[in-house]
Amino acid sequence: DQQVKQNSPSLSVQEGRISILNCDYTNSMFDYFLWYKKYPAEGPTFLISISSIKDKNEDGRFTVFLNKSAKHLSLHIVPSQPGDSAVYFCASRELQGAQKLVFGQGTRLTINP
Amino acid sequence: GAGVSQTPSNKVTEKGKYVELRCDPISGHTALYWYRQSLGQGPEFLIYFQGTGAADDSGLPNDRFFAVRPEGSVSTLKIQRTERGDSAVYLCASSPSQNRVGTEAFFGQGTRLTVV
Repeated sequence: DQQVKQNSPSLSVQEGRISILNCDYTNSMFDYFLWYKKYPAEGPTFLISISSIKDKNEDGRFTVFLNKSAKHLSLHIVPSQPGDSAVYFCASRELQGAQKLVFGQGTRLTINP
Repeated sequence: GAGVSQTPSNKVTEKGKYVELRCDPISGHTALYWYRQSLGQGPEFLIYFQGTGAADDSGLPNDRFFAVRPEGSVSTLKIQRTERGDSAVYLCASSPSQNRVGTEAFFGQGTRLTVV
């Protein structure tokens, strides 16, 4: 029972263009959403988050969009840079409930020069 | 140290053996989490500590897995009678407190456990 799904295992984008990573969830109790970035042999590092009371949160080159009715969120990176090449995980949490994060399977993003 | 530290970084053990994985959280962080990441998957929740007590251990797969945090800082994940299916990267994370919006968890680099 995969409550958080990232249906694209990999994505390749040209440097300077926009990268769009997608994530779908099934649990309507999820109230807080996060994106983590992971380099090889390192732990995931927090990138950006969004509460369900918002539909957009922006931080520099990174913007997360949330569509609650569709249970869908996306991460936009613009412009994409070679250092953005990593595996990206979306994660969800029940804000008022358990503290655990539920992660998607990850999308490997490759930025080509 | 400045970040979450996990030791060892790699552990190879024989099927049936007992292993201990250690996590040193960021100083002052009261919340500590263990996750397990299998190949090609995202991290999967195992257990959450608030202080010394396990507040949520619903992710532990069976009674061969146990974790402690006796003094509210360092935590040890213990696996008895290891099986090949236990092979994964075990991630530890900590955060300053619970129930606060924006309290993101900081992850360690993980311990790669291989059971042969």
